[in-house]
Amino acid sequence: QQQVRQSPQSLTVWEGETTILNCSYEDSTFDYFPWYRQFPGKSPALLIAISLVSNKKEDGRFTIFFNKREKKLSLHITDSQPGDSATYFCAADSNYQLIWGSGTKLIIKP
Amino acid sequence: GGIITQTPKFLIGQEGQKLTLKCQQNFNHDTMYWYRQDSGKGLRLIYYSITENDLQKGDLSEGYDASREKKSSFSLTVTSAQKNEMAVFLCASSIRTGGVGDTQYFGPGTRLLVL
Repeated sequence: QQQVRQSPQSLTVWEGETTILNCSYEDSTFDYFPWYRQFPGKSPALLIAISLVSNKKEDGRFTIFFNKREKKLSLHITDSQPGDSATYFCAADSNYQLIWGSGTKLIIKP
Repeated sequence: GGIITQTPKFLIGQEGQKLTLKCQQNFNHDTMYWYRQDSGKGLRLIYYSITENDLQKGDLSEGYDASREKKSSFSLTVTSAQKNEMAVFLCASSIRTGGVGDTQYFGPGTRLLVL
């Protein structure tokens, strides 16, 4: 079944800590996994993405770790900032469309 | 760069009414999408179109029609608005239809409230 699952549903982290957001999937045909970020009242925008050929993708404070055998990904945000407070969606590319997870609402407390 | 515009920004309708939402993009992207997002929830695909005059149903297509008469525009019609319905409808476009490296760009959304 084509599903992307995210956990936790919501998360509160103190400023400066590392945030870890989790994503898992079932369909072995998925080959590209973008993460989108949505600030309150705004539309989603691409944050970072990884494909099957990589185990890790880094962009500044944001890193995706990919365990292909277990079909699990995690997004790590180091030195978390209040400006990182948003909802983070993991998605998987499947045959002309993205399959979206339900999102993790992240709050960073100063 | 480019931009996606959605009209109207806010739409208040009556139960049973037919309502049309419009989306325009100047990216010259081939593919366009309509999503529905309920408050605090994820995105659900209603329709997408891979080229002018093409329409593909998403998981949430029942109760909706769509139209892609030009490459740059994609319209969505709520065929019969449901009482107390409240959601944000997001239009997106991408240069191709999925695949490694494809990015969806989103418009600002149309907020629907049905009285």
